[in-house]
Amino acid sequence: DTGVSQNPRHKITKRGQNVTFRCDPISEHNRLYWYRQTLGQGPEFLTYFQNEAQLEKSRLLSDRFSAERPKGSFSTLEIQRTEQGDSAMYLCASSLDALNEKLFFGSGTQLSVL
Amino acid sequence: SQKIEQNSEALNIQEGKTATLTCNYTNYSPAYLQWYRQDPGRGPVFLLLIRENEKEKRKERLKVTFDTTLKQSLFHITASQPADSATYLCALAMDSNDQLIWGAGTKLIIKP
Repeated sequence: DTGVSQNPRHKITKRGQNVTFRCDPISEHNRLYWYRQTLGQGPEFLTYFQNEAQLEKSRLLSDRFSAERPKGSFSTLEIQRTEQGDSAMYLCASSLDALNEKLFFGSGTQLSVL
Repeated sequence: SQKIEQNSEALNIQEGKTATLTCNYTNYSPAYLQWYRQDPGRGPVFLLLIRENEKEKRKERLKVTFDTTLKQSLFHITASQPADSATYLCALAMDSNDQLIWGAGTKLIIKP
C-alpha cells in the first residue's frame, strides 16, 4: 500500500492553457474522487468514479473540466482554457468501503493560473 | 441546503490538556459524520467516523461525540501534543448515497 499518488505536485500555467493532472489510487480501491480546495476552505466535490464509470459530477463543474478513469485504475483530470479562478489545490481520494467513507487522499496538485 | 460550521479562529491549547473542536450543522441529521486531519500542503487524513445512531466513538487519544438534538459533533484530543497541531475538518453526508459536505476546518495549535 503506497498510498494515493498525485502528479504533478505543483503546476503553474498561463491563463487559457490546458492542464492535466494524474491520480494513482490505492490499487485495490474501486472508488475514486476528485476534489478542489482553496485556502481556508474545506474540499469541494468535483466528480466520482466507481471503477471506470464516472457516476457523479458536481453541478458546479464547468464544461472546461473533464475526468477519465480508463480501465478503472489511474485517473486524469483535465482543465481546458484555464482561468485565474481555477487556481486551487486539486485533491484525489480513493476508498474501498462504502461510498464516501474513510477516504484516502493524495497530497494534491497545487495549480496556479497566471 | 445543509451547512457545516466549524470555528474559523485557531484554537490554542497547552500541551497535555484536552483539545475540543466543534462541528455544527443545520437542517436534518446526517447519516454519518467524519473527522479528518490536514497538515499544510497535504491532503486530509481520515481519523474517525460516527453514525447517526452512535453517541460516541473512540480511537486512542481521540474521541468523537454526536448529538443530534444539538446538531453538533465534538472532537476531543486528550493529552494533546505539539504533533497534534494541524487543521481538523469535519465532513458529513445526509444520506449514504450523497456526496460529502465539508466544513472549512479549525486550526489547532498545541503549545509546548
